[in-house]
Amino acid sequence: GAVVSQHPSRVICKSGTSVKIECRSLDFQATTMFWYRQFPKKSLMLMATSNEGSKATYEQGVEKDKFLINHASLTLSTLTVTSAHPEDSSFYICSANPRGPGNTIYFGEGSWLTVV
Amino acid sequence: GENVEQHPSTLSVQEGDSAVIKCTYSDSASNYFPWYKQELGKRPQLIIDIRSNVGEKKDQRIAVTLNKTAKHFSLHITETQPEDSAVYFCAASKNTDKLIFGTGTRLQVFP
Repeated sequence: GAVVSQHPSRVICKSGTSVKIECRSLDFQATTMFWYRQFPKKSLMLMATSNEGSKATYEQGVEKDKFLINHASLTLSTLTVTSAHPEDSSFYICSANPRGPGNTIYFGEGSWLTVV
Repeated sequence: GENVEQHPSTLSVQEGDSAVIKCTYSDSASNYFPWYKQELGKRPQLIIDIRSNVGEKKDQRIAVTLNKTAKHFSLHITETQPEDSAVYFCAASKNTDKLIFGTGTRLQVFP
């Protein structure tokens, strides 16, 4: 079946630094990928839609300059948390849908970010 | 935009009993409604889904019902087992596009 891989699974960074998280579709092309954030014991909140070859679409309340999304190829989207702060510590997870709308959604393994 | 509400937030049942989790959505254009089970720190696992052209779907001990008019859908787990204990999320989507999740239900099944 379709596989979405996310890296790194865990990362610890210092306040003020930037961290990049990668989301790859391993056996299909994804023109669209989605990024979610999940705080402990909370639900998954959609952050943005990553569009291959064009700008990401951000949900209301998500700072586009802080959470940079790049979708330069049909199999890779990256989320960069810039100038990270402890409150950015969270579980970040991506998803992708093979062959566009109407098919099953696949999630990456997720990335735990801890900002110290 | 879409808003999904989920109840209850916690649910405790005795092994063998049934568990029901309910969700409501706001956007009548949503047509795909998956249910996920999530272990701590893991990706959500799809357990069952339903599309708007169907009113009910069943897979062994798990079933989902959809009422499009009322804009609500429910997850039914029968003959619960301790391994069913987890956090469950409902979600709504248009054409399996972006997912809007409910707030989650922590299900505990006591032996």
